[in-house]
Amino acid sequence: EAQVTQNPRYLITVTGKKLTVTCSQNMNHEYMSWYRQDPGLGLRQIYYSMNVEVTDKGDVPEGYKVSRKEKRNFPLILESPSPNQTSLYFCASSHTEGSYNSPLHFGNGTRLTVT
Amino acid sequence: AQTVTQSQPEMSVQEAETVTLSCTYDTSESNYYLFWYKQPPSRQMILVIRQEAYKQQNATENRFSVNFQKAAKSFSLKISDSQLGDTAMYFCAFMKLDSNSGYALNFGKGTSLLVTP
Repeated sequence: EAQVTQNPRYLITVTGKKLTVTCSQNMNHEYMSWYRQDPGLGLRQIYYSMNVEVTDKGDVPEGYKVSRKEKRNFPLILESPSPNQTSLYFCASSHTEGSYNSPLHFGNGTRLTVT
Repeated sequence: AQTVTQSQPEMSVQEAETVTLSCTYDTSESNYYLFWYKQPPSRQMILVIRQEAYKQQNATENRFSVNFQKAAKSFSLKISDSQLGDTAMYFCAFMKLDSNSGYALNFGKGTSLLVTP
């Protein structure tokens, strides 16, 4: 089954404790992206990757890191989480030759709470 | 940056009735994509319908259709014969046809739709 898998689905942590949210896709997609969803703000892009070893900042990259060492994986790293990073996070992927014909596939989301 | 505005934070409709969700956007681009995504309580993001700006014909997917008015920069979603399973948050999204933009979807803030029996 074609899917984007995020783990964990729920995570509660404390301020300053490094964490990683994993994302893996099995569709051989070149493009992967991270979004955060906050009430009243919709979804905003954090980082994206057009292919292996190529990453770039989205609209809200501060406090986050990513890496793309393999095509299928695109982990989101919070080196020193803060309460304002409490949010619902989505990973998404698609082919790059025009996302109209290859719409974004979203993972099921990770609910992160930073206390 | 493109902005997407959904002016209706919440709406409700009775089962079997028709409801229209509004979306407007601001852009100087001439070609782009527009999408409606549905997010049920399960939190999944599900693509409902999509439209290319250069296509004048409004997209239709079963009970879902759009009214795309390019000059007015409007992209409303009509749900016919509403079903209880249509209860969800609906997001309108805009994408430029430009790889330099990172294929980013610019989302509106969402409209929460409740379908009542």
